[in-house]
Amino acid sequence: ETGVTQTPRHLVMGMTNKKSLKCEQHLGHNAMYWYKQSAKKPLELMFVYSLEERVENNSVPSRFSPECPNSSHLFLHLHTLQPEDSALYLCASSHRGGPGNEQFFGPGTRLTVL
Amino acid sequence: GDSVTQMEGPVTLSEEAFLTINCTYTATGYPSLFWYVQYPGEGLQLLLKATKADDKGSNKGFEATYRKETTSFHLEKGSVQVSDSAVYFCALSDRSGNEKLTFGTGTRLTIIP
Repeated sequence: ETGVTQTPRHLVMGMTNKKSLKCEQHLGHNAMYWYKQSAKKPLELMFVYSLEERVENNSVPSRFSPECPNSSHLFLHLHTLQPEDSALYLCASSHRGGPGNEQFFGPGTRLTVL
Repeated sequence: GDSVTQMEGPVTLSEEAFLTINCTYTATGYPSLFWYVQYPGEGLQLLLKATKADDKGSNKGFEATYRKETTSFHLEKGSVQVSDSAVYFCALSDRSGNEKLTFGTGTRLTIIP
């Protein structure tokens, strides 16, 4: 595997379910990100982990819970979501302090909340 | 705060037409500027970037020049192909070290044969 991978690619869940999204990067980066992409809205940065510590949480509801066990893996734990949380969730990684802070993105998980 | 404004889409062009997608930004200091592209069913890919004023980023026939005086980073291509159909995002990164990218809303481009 190369680059940034995300699983699952598609997820349908009910509002009472608990599920997790997984992201893995094979680039030797030390910063990882979760973004939410909704139709007709700019990408929304949800969480940033740098050197495995959370450095930013953009007022994301507590029903989204990130976990970064090491520099290669990032999870987004989901529980009691709402239909408006349906979106494409993108993971990205970068080398902290790298030139121009170039981020590499995974293919995303398309989430549908019923 | 920082912001990026890019031209509203969708944009539809014929193959071999000239493409311009406008992007302007507001930021304190001297940000780095990027264009990302998202093909159907995929994540974002970096298309090109520029890290200082007057730099020109280029890739796959696309170009954009960092214009500090007009706070712009317009994307251009001289002759588009059907395979260029995608959504294009302009973005900036400040130099504060907070690892944050600010994106525009994206411009959907469709090229017809």
